[in-house]
Amino acid sequence: GAVVSQHPSRVICKSGTSVKIECRSLDFQATTMFWYRQFPKKSLMLMATSNEGSKATYEQGVEKDKFLINHASLTLSTLTVTSAHPEDSSFYICSPISGNTEAFFGQGTRLTVV
Amino acid sequence: ELKVEQNPLFLSMQEGKNYTIYCNYSTTSDRLYWYRQDPGKSLESLFVLLSNGAVKQEGRLMASLDTKARLSTLHITAAVHDLSATYFCAVDMNTDKLIFGTGTRLQVFP
Repeated sequence: GAVVSQHPSRVICKSGTSVKIECRSLDFQATTMFWYRQFPKKSLMLMATSNEGSKATYEQGVEKDKFLINHASLTLSTLTVTSAHPEDSSFYICSPISGNTEAFFGQGTRLTVV
Repeated sequence: ELKVEQNPLFLSMQEGKNYTIYCNYSTTSDRLYWYRQDPGKSLESLFVLLSNGAVKQEGRLMASLDTKARLSTLHITAAVHDLSATYFCAVDMNTDKLIFGTGTRLQVFP
């Protein structure tokens, strides 16, 4: 399977600060990137979809000004949680797509806002 | 709006027993995926089902897809403790966008 690298795996930050999560596709070019979040013992919820070089499309209820997505290249996308609050604490997972039939997933980032 | 429901949500089963997890979805789709998630980890791909009637097997797990009934099943044969995890089905919206099921938390005990 494809190699996807997501960093950091864990991060603790103070309320009001911003956190950047990186997702790299190491051996393929990701034309599309999906970002999901997962609350404890819950399912994955799609947050946004981004295409390389274009603005991200956000799902209903997801604040685009809070969750900034940059997909500047075919191998790197970033999700920045701005002015983080405790309710933003969650598990964030990226999923790059190369046009194949199968989705690949990053290792996930556990964000804890204190 | 596409809804993907799994049942049961929680399953506790004895080693050696068989059981089936069901995944129902509410709109047309020809692609369905099954994933495993261990605590604190990301998703591990189990099966990719791409057409009506598709059946795939790997070890003690077998998945099937009936697109007419909008139903997929994940059958567990002779469960072992190592299968304890949360299992998700995910339906492709025909745009590569996946909508995940509610998840089934499986615990296998001796």
